[in-house]
Amino acid sequence: GAVVSQHPSWVICKSGTSVKIECRSLDFQATTMFWYRQFPKQSLMLMATSNEGSKATYEQGVEKDKFLINHASLTLSTLTVTSAHPEDSSFYICSASQSGSGANVLTFGAGSRLTVL
Amino acid sequence: AQSVTQLGSHVSVSEGALVLLRCNYSSSVPPYLFWYVQYPNQGLQLLLKYTTGATLVKGINGFEAEFKKSETSFHLTKPSAHMSDAAEYFCAVSGGNQGGKLIFGQGTELSVKP
Repeated sequence: GAVVSQHPSWVICKSGTSVKIECRSLDFQATTMFWYRQFPKQSLMLMATSNEGSKATYEQGVEKDKFLINHASLTLSTLTVTSAHPEDSSFYICSASQSGSGANVLTFGAGSRLTVL
Repeated sequence: AQSVTQLGSHVSVSEGALVLLRCNYSSSVPPYLFWYVQYPNQGLQLLLKYTTGATLVKGINGFEAEFKKSETSFHLTKPSAHMSDAAEYFCAVSGGNQGGKLIFGQGTELSVKP
């Protein structure tokens, strides 16, 4: 079956540094990937839609300069949290839609837990 | 636009009892509806989905859900709870033309007592 890999699965960084999280579709091509953020005991909030070869579409209230998204290939999207601060600590989850499909073929990664000290 | 409301942030049942997790949705277009399960510090696993066709959908691990358009509901049920069912459950909605963009409910934590 379709597999989406996220790396790293957890990361701890100092305040002010930048952290990059990778989301890879291992056995399929993903024209579109989605990035979600989840606070403890809360739901997933869609941050942005990442389209291969074009700029990401950010949801209202999400700082595009803070959360840089790059989708350079059909199998890789990256989320970079720039100048991270403790309030950026969260669980970040990506999902990938297989090319040519809709919401009925969507695979989630296992998530990346970011802790900013 | 779509939205999802899950009634009850926490549900507790006894092992062997019926599981009922409630989900109501709002959508301006015919919805696609999903139930996902999340175990601690893990990603989401799809339990089942409704896109078109039969309104009663069966998923993995004995779960099923029924799409009721008149009630704008998509409640998740399982006849007999198992200890391993303890997890967080999320209902999600997508417009059929949204290309995979999901809107999630607040989540319901299911506890199973021995």
